[in-house]
Amino acid sequence: QSALTQPRSVSGSPGQSVTISCTGASSDVGTYNYVSWYQEHPGKAPKLIIYDVSKRPSGVPDRFSGSKSGNTASLTISGLQAEDEADYSCCSYAVTDKFVVFGGGTKLTVL
Amino acid sequence: QVQLQESGPGLVKPSETLSLTCTVSGGSISDYYWTWIRQPPGKGLEWLGHMYSSETANYNPSLKSRVTISIDTSKNQVSLRLSSVTAADTAVYYCARDKSAVGTFDIWGQGTMVTVSS
Repeated sequence: QSALTQPRSVSGSPGQSVTISCTGASSDVGTYNYVSWYQEHPGKAPKLIIYDVSKRPSGVPDRFSGSKSGNTASLTISGLQAEDEADYSCCSYAVTDKFVVFGGGTKLTVL
Repeated sequence: QVQLQESGPGLVKPSETLSLTCTVSGGSISDYYWTWIRQPPGKGLEWLGHMYSSETANYNPSLKSRVTISIDTSKNQVSLRLSSVTAADTAVYYCARDKSAVGTFDIWGQGTMVTVSS
């Protein structure tokens, strides 16, 4: 059982927007702005696409955006493209025991 | 361009110790938190622990008694040891670089699959 809760799957058509939620607790997501998101294609290493809740690393399209409200963080992908089909995992710093927790991952299907 | 490469046995027997090495190339091992993360088949990612340069390591409380991370700065390598393994430890193991110990993993290795089986 993962510490952060994500929907198992979401889907959308090309050009549409989808939002993936990541629900934690006041001891992790709700305390600090240290939420990151990773894109995972099968057989490849995860790729950082959002960090510090809403910052994008260089090279990540601005179609990817992040936000947070209370104990829930969200990743929004706008203008869906076929290559966005992947698993997406959220991650947060947990103030208790000073460690890092992940969500269980969400499979995005582009219809 | 910094690259990470995990290496180690792909098969480990139950009750034995899993040992993996991550070689860092193209950059210094200093000034970052070097992290081990795993992903069991069909499941989510799990943070195992990290070490900053050769200072104190921090581990996932659920594995704390079994996991050890170390750094050899002379070889630019980060090592993982996980003792008393069971089938539940079967996973793809990744090493990753964390800029600030809060889960911002900007560089990952390709991962190595480890199966625990007799």
